Amino acid sequence: NAGVMQNPRHLVRRRGQEARLRCSPMKGHSHVYWYRQLPEEGLKFMVYLQKENIIDESGMPKERFSAEFPKEGPSILRIQQVVRGDSAAYFCASAAMTENTGELFFGEGSRLTVL
Amino acid sequence: AQKVTQAQTEISVVEKEDVTLDCVYETRDTTYYLFWYKQPPSGELVFLIRRNSFDEQNEISGRYSWNFQKSTSSFNFTITASQVVDSAVYFCALLPRGAQKLVFGQGTRLTINP
Repeated sequence: NAGVMQNPRHLVRRRGQEARLRCSPMKGHSHVYWYRQLPEEGLKFMVYLQKENIIDESGMPKERFSAEFPKEGPSILRIQQVVRGDSAAYFCASAAMTENTGELFFGEGSRLTVL
Repeated sequence: AQKVTQAQTEISVVEKEDVTLDCVYETRDTTYYLFWYKQPPSGELVFLIRRNSFDEQNEISGRYSWNFQKSTSSFNFTITASQVVDSAVYFCALLPRGAQKLVFGQGTRLTINP
């Protein structure tokens, strides 16, 4: 049973380009969370999605960031017109249960570097 | 407001020493979960433990042990007889029941020197 798969593991973009990060949850999981880890900091919640629905996006920057979790395919975190401050590790986690008891399974993260 | 404080930014010890990582949390919720994660140099997050707020029993798993004290809102983590492979950043996290967001501390970078 494969774990949470994130790709790419490393992504380099120039300022102004777009970054797309993908997350395939564990089999049978329909809840996906995205967290961001800035250098030398802890993880910060960004968004929580269920299939085709954004449940909580209170941690998402108001501009340039968007997330989706379509009926088919992986969840995607999109960052438009990236800036240097977007350089970070982006972690995806998935869960199977509606009530969040913290049984989250994290992916290995996608590390974005903006030049 | 929910908050997790890991006051120790960095700790460095010599192999075989015991080391304790501190975690203090703030929440108004009476029911919540506490976690510890390990982030080795390779960058992934490794789940170590989840503790329910109703269960104040200390837990031991091999060289790892956790001391949960509700009275002081602390959930400290001790590594006994540390090894070089324990070198990592360790995060404490809080999840109020019914919430969807894990609140992480800033992390403690632990270096075990041979």
